[in-house]
Amino acid sequence: GAVVSQHPSRVICKSGTSVKIECRSLDFQATTMFWYRQFPKKSLMLMATSNEGSKATYEQGVEKDKFLINHASLTLSTLTVTSAHPEDSSFYICSAPVAGGFSTGELFFGEGSRLTVL
Amino acid sequence: LAKTTQPISMDSYEGQEVNITCSHNNIATNDYITWYQQFPSQGPRFIIQGYKTKVTNEVASLFIPADRKSSTLSLPRVSLSDTAVYYCLVGGYSGGGADGLTFGKGTHLIIQP
Repeated sequence: GAVVSQHPSRVICKSGTSVKIECRSLDFQATTMFWYRQFPKKSLMLMATSNEGSKATYEQGVEKDKFLINHASLTLSTLTVTSAHPEDSSFYICSAPVAGGFSTGELFFGEGSRLTVL
Repeated sequence: LAKTTQPISMDSYEGQEVNITCSHNNIATNDYITWYQQFPSQGPRFIIQGYKTKVTNEVASLFIPADRKSSTLSLPRVSLSDTAVYYCLVGGYSGGGADGLTFGKGTHLIIQP
């Protein structure tokens, strides 16, 4: 089946630095991808919808200048956490809808990226 | 806000059938019901999807009553490796936004020997 891959799987950075997480659709094109974050023992929280060739749509309460999303191609979306702080430490997960799954909620998820900000 | 309600946790034993029910009283006509499984430190994995009645695949069955206000994921003969968090997701992405991609709290299923 189709695969969504994230990189890096783990990243540790110092407070104040920026971190980029990549999300790739490996064998299909994804004009739309979704970014979630997940705190320990909590559910996934949708952060934003990444749209190829246009601006991302952010969910209420998510700072767009803090979490920069770029979807420059049909197979790659990136999430950059700018000026990271310890409270940004979390598990970030991207997903892309399967063919026809855009409106039904059938998604492929990446493996997730664990960000730890010291 | 999530449109679904599930039990926070469930326990069962190896070899048993496990049924997890999700309530979605405000399901819309166009909404599908999708179940995901998530292991610690991994992204969720698709299990099954349905619209009405019953759907079965190689790993699970999904029962949806006529009024579609709830759905039940049935896992036959569970094993220890089925210990995970299970989420039901109702809807999808529509022109109005991504409300249908909001996950509820999920059910933490613990399988014991």
